[in-house]
Amino acid sequence: EADIYQTPRYLVIGTGKKITLECSQTMGHDKMYWYQQDPGMELHLIHYSYGVNSTEKGDLSSESTVSRIRTEHFPLTLESARPSHTSQYLCASSDRRGVPDTQYFGPGTRLTVL
Amino acid sequence: GESVGLHLPTLSVQEGDNSIINCAYSNSASDYFIWYKQESGKGPQFIIDIRSNMDKRQGQRVTVLLNKTVKHLSLQIAATQPGDSAVYFCAESDYFGNEKLTFGTGTRLTIIP
Repeated sequence: EADIYQTPRYLVIGTGKKITLECSQTMGHDKMYWYQQDPGMELHLIHYSYGVNSTEKGDLSSESTVSRIRTEHFPLTLESARPSHTSQYLCASSDRRGVPDTQYFGPGTRLTVL
Repeated sequence: GESVGLHLPTLSVQEGDNSIINCAYSNSASDYFIWYKQESGKGPQFIIDIRSNMDKRQGQRVTVLLNKTVKHLSLQIAATQPGDSAVYFCAESDYFGNEKLTFGTGTRLTIIP
């Protein structure tokens, strides 16, 4: 069982609000990822990090930003939420071994922007 | 561009029967493949993985087969149970992709009691 946590699990918020989705892992993994997933659809990588002070944009363009100040923490921020941001956001982490390896996922945050 | 795709979007199987979920990939440089199970309202859960130097790997009730010649991956679930009902995703990665995973669209497996 992977120890990766996301809060909140559900968030309903009005347009224009600033939000931060939290992601924490206790496994000491260097690599962390954020994915966006619409219901029944595939996962799209929006941000990733290979360690502290390392952040990169993923394959899907996103207006969100991330930070990695501590190994265990990888928050995602939307400065001004819009209805188009309504989706499920999944956080994942994996061990840094220099090769592709298993990513462990959190439970996700389902965001609804009204 | 490169893509990972699944042959069937939905699959219904009688409880106790075996199920096979298929996945095609197009990236010739793919060297790592993984299957995830996602239940409603939850994050994807790791099932089994395989690297390109193998063509078969077995876990508990699950087997992954890799055919690099035709770029095809399959997940076999033996003696299916109601708890196996979920969406199953295959994903692939290659070393030159900076260890990122590319996910397919998913297959919804329904186990009929």
